[in-house]
Amino acid sequence: DAKTTQPNSMESNEEEPVHLPCNHSTISGTDYIHWYRQLPSQGPEYVIHGLTSNVNNRMASLAIAEDRKSSTLILHRATLRDAAVYYCILYNNNDMRFGAGTRLTVKP
Amino acid sequence: DSGVTQTPKHLITATGQRVTLRCSPRSGDLSVYWYQQSLDQGLQFLIQYYNGEERAKGNILERFSAQQFPDLHSELNLSSLELGDSALYFCASSVNPLAGGNLGSYNEQFFGPGTRLTVL
Repeated sequence: DAKTTQPNSMESNEEEPVHLPCNHSTISGTDYIHWYRQLPSQGPEYVIHGLTSNVNNRMASLAIAEDRKSSTLILHRATLRDAAVYYCILYNNNDMRFGAGTRLTVKP
Repeated sequence: DSGVTQTPKHLITATGQRVTLRCSPRSGDLSVYWYQQSLDQGLQFLIQYYNGEERAKGNILERFSAQQFPDLHSELNLSSLELGDSALYFCASSVNPLAGGNLGSYNEQFFGPGTRLTVL
């Protein structure tokens, strides 16, 4: 199974951009890259997903490397509410496998 | 509020017992997923149902079973409980509009608030 590798933790200052990296060197051609986050004491929530092209939505941007072996979730202006564990997941045929994720701390 | 409801919110029981966790998906969602989140194992996919039928299986123990009913709600049954089964159990739902193939591009999952199970 394709796996993802993320840093255990990252820190950011409030209102600054945050780049959360994810390595997925064994990704297959049909794997979608999904990002979810889990705020304290809540269930995970969807952030963004993509296949090959960069994607933007109201929450974040997803930059996907040309070889698709890595991706970066970009939060353009971190807020205190963005403090969460961010999961990068390769998704194929309903099999969603979460890794350990990156714990993002946002400092005021 | 994701629109997915789970009951009960908390459950405390003893080893060897059996419990049932319930999940109601968002209106219109046909697919239900169950996950277990423990401190040492992280978030693990257990099983998925789509419109009443089992669709995918993850790391689900034989002591655990699930089903999805005609009204699309789902139940996760945990039996012969052990201390190690203490965890947060999440249910998620998604639309799954496609009949087959790679559903990743449409499959945003909406998670419920979870049921915290404590086995003493």
